[in-house]
Amino acid sequence: GAVVSQHPSRVICKSGTSVKIECRSLDFQATTMFWYRQFPKQSLMLMATSNEGSKATYEQGVEKDKFLINHASLTLSTLTVTSAHPEDSSFYICSASHRDYNEQFFGPGTRLTVL
Amino acid sequence: RKEVEQDPGPFNVPEGATVAFNCTYSNSASQSFFWYRQDCRKEPKLLMSVYSSGNEDGRFTAQLNRASQYISLLIRDSKLSDSATYLCVVNMGGSYIPTFGRGTSLIVHP
Repeated sequence: GAVVSQHPSRVICKSGTSVKIECRSLDFQATTMFWYRQFPKQSLMLMATSNEGSKATYEQGVEKDKFLINHASLTLSTLTVTSAHPEDSSFYICSASHRDYNEQFFGPGTRLTVL
Repeated sequence: RKEVEQDPGPFNVPEGATVAFNCTYSNSASQSFFWYRQDCRKEPKLLMSVYSSGNEDGRFTAQLNRASQYISLLIRDSKLSDSATYLCVVNMGGSYIPTFGRGTSLIVHP
């Protein structure tokens, strides 16, 4: 299957700082990228869907001003957690898909810990 | 009612056992169905798609029942390495915004 990378894989930061997570599709052009959050022992929760060159569509309850998503190219999407707080500590996973493929390809995830 | 429901388990079975998971979905217009596997602290990985006619991949068999709106995953001859969380994924409608179930935990013991 296609390869999706995420960077960083793990980040520990102080409360109030902003953290940027990158998601890259390495061998295909991703027309759509998804951002998920997963708390321990819970299911993946879709945060937002982004299409290249357009604004992200956020799920209900997800603050768009706190979780900034940029999908500037067909191979890169970024999620910025602004003014992170301990309750934002979670496993953030991106996935990418192409309109011609009936499958999502997941990145390895980023584990965020806010102290 | 949640859009996609799964029994969270855990299912605790011995090696060699056969185990089955069900997943129900609420939207009758759902078009695509998948089983993903997620290991602890890792990303989900596609295990298999689920087709209307049912499909098999080695020890894994997936089936779809549109009338009752559920999909199933059968694992035969369980291995220790099958221990993971199995996620049911349903694609609702025409736009590709998949919905994940909360997952079913499987523990295979010696």
